[in-house]
Amino acid sequence: GAVVSQHPSRVICKSGTSVKIECRSLDFQATTMFWYRQFPKKSLMLMATSNEGSKATYEQGVEKDKFLINHASLTLSTLTVTSAHPEDSSFYICSARVFAGSTDTQYFGPGTRLTVL
Amino acid sequence: SQKIEQNSEALNIQEGKTATLTCNYTNYSPAYLQWYRQDPGRGPVFLLLIRENEKEKRKERLKVTFDTTLKQSLFHITASQPADSATYLCALGYSGNTPLVFGKGTRLSVIA
Repeated sequence: GAVVSQHPSRVICKSGTSVKIECRSLDFQATTMFWYRQFPKKSLMLMATSNEGSKATYEQGVEKDKFLINHASLTLSTLTVTSAHPEDSSFYICSARVFAGSTDTQYFGPGTRLTVL
Repeated sequence: SQKIEQNSEALNIQEGKTATLTCNYTNYSPAYLQWYRQDPGRGPVFLLLIRENEKEKRKERLKVTFDTTLKQSLFHITASQPADSATYLCALGYSGNTPLVFGKGTRLSVIA
C-alpha cells in the first residue's frame, strides 16, 4: 500500500515558538492531503484539507492563521503551528488521498506528538 | 449533518472468539465505507473498503458487511488474537471531493 511519512515523530517546544510538521507521500503523488488532530482516547478531528497549489480549506473553528498549511508539491504538505501554547499539545496526523476509480482511500502518516511547555 | 456511531467505546473478548464491531450512521448513505485500525500513538492503517452495492467483503480473518437499509456496517475478526487488540475506526466515503467522515472508534481488547 501507499506509504506516508511524517517528521518529526515527536517534538517538545516552549510556549510562543512555532513548530513545523512535514507530511510526505513516499511512493505516490497526492493532490489532496488532510491534517487531523487527536486527543487521548478521542476521535480524529479533521482540521483542514490541503490541496496542492492552492489554499487549504479549514474546518469550522480551526484558526487558519494559527495552523498554517502549505502544499507546495504533490508529495509534501506542511503544517506550522504558530506561537504554540500548551493547549496546542496534541497528536497531529496527516493523510494522503489516493483515488481508485470511484472510491478513495486515505493513507495516514504515523503521527507527530507535539508537547508545548 | 452526518452522524456515525460505533457501538461501544470498548469491547473485551476472549482469544479465539469472533469479535463483532458495529458502525451505524444516520442521514445520507455513503458511496462506500472503510475500516481502519489504529494502535496507540500511531496513525490509522487502512484495512478494508466496501461499496454501497456490496453486501460483504473478506480479507483473511476479517469480514465486513454493509446494509444500506439498516444503515449499518459490521466488522468481524474471527479467531481473534491478542495482537488484534487496537482501536478500530469506521469511515464513510462519498463521491466528489468530500473528506472521509470518521467514527470515534471502538477499542478492542483480546484477552489470552
